[in-house]
Amino acid sequence: KNQVEQSPQSLIILEGKNCTLQCNYTVSPFSNLRWYKQDTGRGPVSLTIMTFSENTKSNGRYTATLDADTKQSSLHITASQLSDSASYICVVSAYLGDDKIIFGKGTRLHILP
Amino acid sequence: DAGVIQSPRHEVTEMGQEVTLRCKPISGHNSLFWYRQTMMRGLELLIYFNNNVPIDDSGMPEDRFSAKMPNASFSTLKIQPSEPRDSAVYFCASSRDSYTGELFFGEGSRLTVL
Repeated sequence: KNQVEQSPQSLIILEGKNCTLQCNYTVSPFSNLRWYKQDTGRGPVSLTIMTFSENTKSNGRYTATLDADTKQSSLHITASQLSDSASYICVVSAYLGDDKIIFGKGTRLHILP
Repeated sequence: DAGVIQSPRHEVTEMGQEVTLRCKPISGHNSLFWYRQTMMRGLELLIYFNNNVPIDDSGMPEDRFSAKMPNASFSTLKIQPSEPRDSAVYFCASSRDSYTGELFFGEGSRLTVL
């Protein structure tokens, strides 16, 4: 079954600290993986996209990694800020006859001052 | 450029009433998606249009749900009759390149059915 599992479900850290969010997927054949950030009461916004050949991609303080062999991705946030408080959703696209997008349930991140 | 525009932002209605949610995608985007989001189930795809044609409606929960896209700049999601279990946030998203492209989401319509 094609699934995207994220961990932890929720995370609380102090402002200025680093954190890493995990995404494991069983989707095949793989097309790409995106991380979305969803602020409370808003729609998700894309942070990064990873294709099969990419191992690491950065977007400011956000760094995403992809290991296509183990089907794992991580999102690392450096020097967290209060504005990083949000849900982070891992989304995997696959070629399954028709293309498909499979969403993880997200990690809820709380940054404390 | 304007993003995806959804209306209404909030809707409170009573069980049995008809609900219509509206979406204007980003100009030039060929694909439009309707999603439902709940705490328990996360984001679930309801239906996907490409060039105004419904391609995948396997996520539409039952006959009470229907969606239309009469032209490239407008889509509706209708629930008739509504039930309390339909309470959720409904998101519309558009994309240039169907499933593998970046999805641009609207702000969502929060539906509460009493």
